[in-house]
Amino acid sequence: EIVLTQSPGTLSLSPGERATLSCRASQSVTSSYLAWYQQKPGQAPRLLIYGASSRATGIPDRFSGSGSGTDFTLTISRLEPEDFAVYYCQQYDYSRWAFGQGTKVEIK
Amino acid sequence: EVQLLESGGGLVQPGGSLRLSCAASGFTFSSYAMNWVRQAPGKGLEWVSSISGSGSSTHYADSVKGRFTISRDNSKNTLYLQMNSLRADDTAVYYCAKKYSTSWYCLDNWGLGTLVTVSS
Repeated sequence: EIVLTQSPGTLSLSPGERATLSCRASQSVTSSYLAWYQQKPGQAPRLLIYGASSRATGIPDRFSGSGSGTDFTLTISRLEPEDFAVYYCQQYDYSRWAFGQGTKVEIK
Repeated sequence: EVQLLESGGGLVQPGGSLRLSCAASGFTFSSYAMNWVRQAPGKGLEWVSSISGSGSSTHYADSVKGRFTISRDNSKNTLYLQMNSLRADDTAVYYCAKKYSTSWYCLDNWGLGTLVTVSS
């Protein structure tokens, strides 16, 4: 069973700053099986990145994903007010899906 | 436009049963695998179960295996989750979510969720 660990737990930043979120897997993950989601309070998660680096439909280009193997990163180049939310990474392995515990991006 | 609408949540006593439904529209339902994902109050996302487009293949998280059953009726464009022997730690918002495609293992459309509360 692959476990995803996200860091930091909380990121306190100001609008306009760059956010770098980490997702580390306990074993190597196939890149096409790695995704990132954004969730705002009271809302369902929204797919941001799939295949580790491909933006989902309608996602602004300030969001980017990178990484391979066991280390993956979600970067928000310049934070907009609507980007303050919780972000989850997700992987698939041997018919099981798993999510990281989430990183909260809050306004400093 | 893809729409997923869950229903069937509510308050149930420990040991009880509940069946969730997810009505799908805006896409060819039978062509896509579907998933249930839950979120306990104030907690993160937890994958619960998945089912192939035909319904012939199903998978479960260890935490629900033997108690929950996922199924689908492609003629009604509806996904189900039968939950038996419910426990307090099954309390959560349950989301149905559509798998993006055959090649990409991510969930591109989510319902609004339905709340299940297990309490006496």
